[in-house]
Amino acid sequence: SQQGEEDPQALSIQEGENATMNCSYKTSINNLQWYRQNSGRGLVHLILIRSNEREKHSGRLRVTLDTSKKSSSLLITASRAADTASYFCATARYNQGGKLIFGQGTELSVKP
Amino acid sequence: NAGVTQTPKFQVLKTGQSMTLQCAQDMNHEYMSWYRQDPGMGLRLIHYSVGAGITDQGEVPNGYNVSRSTTEDFPLRLLSAAPSQTSVYFCASSYSKVGGYTFGSGTRLTVV
Repeated sequence: SQQGEEDPQALSIQEGENATMNCSYKTSINNLQWYRQNSGRGLVHLILIRSNEREKHSGRLRVTLDTSKKSSSLLITASRAADTASYFCATARYNQGGKLIFGQGTELSVKP
Repeated sequence: NAGVTQTPKFQVLKTGQSMTLQCAQDMNHEYMSWYRQDPGMGLRLIHYSVGAGITDQGEVPNGYNVSRSTTEDFPLRLLSAAPSQTSVYFCASSYSKVGGYTFGSGTRLTVV
């Protein structure tokens, strides 16, 4: 079964607003990663947060990780129409090296 | 660098036919994986490899075979295609056991 569950499944916002997506997982992890997928394309790696980190930033992206709640959130600030895509979280564990398990994704629509 | 190259981009098979989806990377990555993506199911791991000569099963391995004779190539074989294998297939590679993955652009497979 898949490790991650994402919430919401779909999100529609206006340009300039912030978008928050959440990911919950079931077992202990070594890191959690977020990916973006534009329609009909492959996935692009956005950011990786290790289990000993609580928050990480990359440009307009802010990721938090709460290992006690087994959850993570991805915040995109000042959204643009170009941010319209599906966003996936994925978890990795050292004792399962090479096995990256994905959630079902959040479909984000940013309206101009 | 080309990154991760998948061929073909589109394929239609008849039930019972076999075929090989090709995946090649030029980044000298040890870790490679195959995923399938179905609507509402996110990405599910089929098989993965932690180096040349080493492969292992993922979440949904039945009906698929892999081999890894070189670091660069990781082909996925469908032994006897079934309509349930209609999906979009992604190959991905990483430099690290738990690092971020680079994805190919996908193969859209339809089995009739």
